[in-house]
Amino acid sequence: DSGVTQTPKHLITATGQRVTLRCSPRSGDLSVYWYQQSLDQGLQFLIQYYNGEERAKGNILERFSAQQFPDLHSELNLSSLELGDSALYFCASSEISSYNEQFFGPGTRLTVL
Amino acid sequence: AQTVTQSQPEMSVQEAETVTLSCTYDTSESDYYLFWYKQPPSRQMILVIRQEAYKQQNATENRFSVNFQKAAKSFSLKISDSQLGDAAMYFCAYRSALGNTPLVFGKGTRLSVIA
Repeated sequence: DSGVTQTPKHLITATGQRVTLRCSPRSGDLSVYWYQQSLDQGLQFLIQYYNGEERAKGNILERFSAQQFPDLHSELNLSSLELGDSALYFCASSEISSYNEQFFGPGTRLTVL
Repeated sequence: AQTVTQSQPEMSVQEAETVTLSCTYDTSESDYYLFWYKQPPSRQMILVIRQEAYKQQNATENRFSVNFQKAAKSFSLKISDSQLGDAAMYFCAYRSALGNTPLVFGKGTRLSVIA
């Protein structure tokens, strides 16, 4: 158990819908990262938050957005869903230093039908 | 931008034997960190081993060791005495030392262990 929790574990929805994925980082970790793992694209970085503020953006679509709340949990919002958004979405957290390991949550499996 | 390449989509090894997974990366930075992550069928991402670029000594964690060649930008993972539980996807990842930065992953190598 990494200490990072993600809910829900599985999500099945239809095209055009909107979903919210939730992540709670390890106690004390200020950084939260979101990654998308799809069959054809591998693991790709989406977005990073540090202590409530957006820190870095990767290959995140405009239909996707995220935020980190004062209690440090983070939510990833996916809207106008398409079939190609079906993937495993990971949240990871880490301490302040780049040396520190990123601890990954168990992921949310999103299926868009 | 940094890139990570894993040229072996699939590998297999006999139980108790040794296997080496390859990884190359491209960066213009001199200070960075390299990681190998394991993803078993449960899909959990598990850190296997970490290497700091400023250290010449290769990292070792029990049966797992790396061969880090900074000039060649190569970072291979050696698994000794392979066990059935080693069967998984293995991802090589790069992280800049410039601040709190995200990981850049390779496409992964699927390792099968044959009993």
